[in-house]
Amino acid sequence: GAVVSQHPSRVICKSGTSVKIECRSLDFQATTMFWYRQFPKQSLMLMATSNEGSKATYEQGVEKDKFLINHASLTLSTLTVTSAHPEDSSFYICSARPMDRDDSPLHFGNGTRLTVT
Amino acid sequence: DQQVKQNSPSLSVQEGRISILNCDYTNSMFDYFLWYKKYPAEGPTFLISISSIKDKNEDGRFTVFLNKSAKHLSLHIVPSQPGDSAVYFCAANRPGGSQGNLIFGKGTKLSVKP
Repeated sequence: GAVVSQHPSRVICKSGTSVKIECRSLDFQATTMFWYRQFPKQSLMLMATSNEGSKATYEQGVEKDKFLINHASLTLSTLTVTSAHPEDSSFYICSARPMDRDDSPLHFGNGTRLTVT
Repeated sequence: DQQVKQNSPSLSVQEGRISILNCDYTNSMFDYFLWYKKYPAEGPTFLISISSIKDKNEDGRFTVFLNKSAKHLSLHIVPSQPGDSAVYFCAANRPGGSQGNLIFGKGTKLSVKP
């Protein structure tokens, strides 16, 4: 149980375009989902916390206007990288836990490899 | 400033032997630690965790030890199996943050040779 599905797994886009990444909890509901990013040879870093029905909370240094987060339902959060640039190329990964299981560890999706050319 | 450090980027162990993966942290306020395993092209999967009120937690072949005074934890895998070959991430729960606000190390790639 507790499966998190992320789509797409890999995307290549041109500089200036926008890319949407979806994160779904398949067998549980989550009021909160978390978006992480990993640059090569670096650790996973939390970008933002997605809250169902309210605004996302962004970590310091993460531009909220560039990384748009929408948590429209208890099973879906989306991250849109707007006007992507090559420096946005990274591995983006979402995570969540069942809303009624605060003691449950985070479950991660398989991630999205974004390459901006 | 890396608050969670995994100083060994890789580790190679013979099948059947013990694998010991180390992790150091700098913030004494961290109160919960987790280990995740990651295979290529997959997301991290939870392995085992430990609360700061404990110094050991065991689950089958996996044991995590916590030394609060040294701000050090380690993951022991015994006996190691080829299927254990993966990247292992140590993570700490950020104090005052939600339970999803984890600080990760850079990972250690474990190779278990048959």
